[in-house]
Amino acid sequence: EVQLVESGGGLVQPGGSLRLSCAASGFTFSDHWMHWVRQAPGKGLVWVSRITTDGRSTSQAASVKGRLSISRDNAKNTLFLQMDGLRAEDTAMYYCVREGLSGTVPNDSFDVWGQGTMVIVSP
Amino acid sequence: QSVLTQPPSASGTPGQRVTISCSGSFSNIGNNHVYWYQQLPGTAPKLLIYRNTQRPSGVPDRFSGSKSGTSASLAISGLRSEDEADYYCAAWDDSLSGYVFGPGTKVTVL
Repeated sequence: EVQLVESGGGLVQPGGSLRLSCAASGFTFSDHWMHWVRQAPGKGLVWVSRITTDGRSTSQAASVKGRLSISRDNAKNTLFLQMDGLRAEDTAMYYCVREGLSGTVPNDSFDVWGQGTMVIVSP
Repeated sequence: QSVLTQPPSASGTPGQRVTISCSGSFSNIGNNHVYWYQQLPGTAPKLLIYRNTQRPSGVPDRFSGSKSGTSASLAISGLRSEDEADYYCAAWDDSLSGYVFGPGTKVTVL
């Protein structure tokens, strides 16, 4: 079964740090670009960051650039999100997301989602 | 403010057809594919439509997507109670160099 399982969320003070993990199983992790998407309570979806298959290229939303950093360990089938300088507006459910393939080429579709891990930034 | 625009809500009775619009600009919808996601209450989103019109395996053919210029639409025909959910459109934005989502449309089955 194709699965993404996030962990590492919790309550953190403003200015603090947190590291989210996402364990992938049931597919060849190293074949897929991966993303983080977040959703504040009662709000819509917001794309956060993307990483290519080998981890050499990443991109982030402007709102998180310099504070949230995506990385991956293909040997351990795990995706990470290092979160530093956290702000109240970072409070959200964070979803680990797989980008689909058309053949061997990433196709911009978010075809597998994890169940999410909640991050709360509060004093 | 979302880069993509969707109506906040839509509704219909069982069996009816409901259409949700998604409006953008050349840098996103106009120059890239559109994707639609369904989020049932309390669950993670699910891919519903990819590359404007394609349905992943397992998605009923009651769901269909279309795109014209800088706008796209999701149609749900034969509306069922289990279709009550939030629906989001999404696309890559060349100007922002990132993915953008619409604000979501809540579909209610009356």
